Amino acid sequence: DIQMTQSPSSLSASVGDRVSITCRTSQSISTYLNWYQQKSGKAPKLLIFSASSLQSGVPSRFGGSGSGTEFTLVISGLQPEDFATYFCQQSYSPPLTFGGGTKVEIK
Amino acid sequence: QLQLQESGPGLVKPSETLSLTCTVSHDFISSNSYFWGWIRQPPGKGLEWIGTIFYSGSTFYNPSLKSRVSMSVDTSKTQFSLKVTSVTAADTAVYYCARVETVVPGTELGYFDYWGPGTVVTVSS
Repeated sequence: DIQMTQSPSSLSASVGDRVSITCRTSQSISTYLNWYQQKSGKAPKLLIFSASSLQSGVPSRFGGSGSGTEFTLVISGLQPEDFATYFCQQSYSPPLTFGGGTKVEIK
Repeated sequence: QLQLQESGPGLVKPSETLSLTCTVSHDFISSNSYFWGWIRQPPGKGLEWIGTIFYSGSTFYNPSLKSRVSMSVDTSKTQFSLKVTSVTAADTAVYYCARVETVVPGTELGYFDYWGPGTVVTVSS
C-alpha cells in the first residue's frame, strides 16, 4: 500500500494568513493526488484533483502543486470558513489511501 | 445536482453483519461514466477506502477488508449497498458513500467528487 504522510498534523493560523500543507507519499504517484476539506461532523469535500486542478465551485484561494512524492496544498488568504481538517488521497495504485489529516485551527 | 444518502442500522452486534444502502438521486447510478464507493472514518481518525462498484456489478475491494466485504447495485432503485460480515468494535465508524470519478478507465483508481452526509454505525452488544 502507498503510505501518505501529511505535515503538519495541526496548525494555528489567523484570518488572512497564507497556509501550506504538505503530503508525502511512500512511492512516486505522478500527479495522482487529491485534496479534501472536512468540517466537523460533515462529509469531506473535494477541493483539488490531479494535484493541481481546482474542483468546480471551490474558491481560487485554494491551490495545489507537486508531483512524484511531494505535494502541497496552499490556502492564500485564510477565511473563517476554511478552518477545518484537510486530507490528501492518492489515486495511483490500489488500494486507495488517505493521509492522516491536517487540522487548521484559529490562532 | 447529484445527491447521495446513506441508510441502515446505527447499531450492530459483534459478529453480526453490517448492512448499509446508498440512494443516489435521479438515475446517475446507471451512467457508464462513474463508479460508486464506500469510505469509512472511525471516531477521531482518518479515512479508509472500503470498496468501489460499477453499475454493471464489477467490484473492487480494499484487501484489508476483502474477506468480509461485499457490495451490490440495484439500478432500478438507484441504490448500491455494502455488507460487512463478522463485525467487531474496530468497525465502528461513520460510513460514507460517494461517487468516484475514475482517472484510469475501468478501474477503482479515482477521486470522490460527491459524498453522502454519512451514517454512524456502532458495533456493540
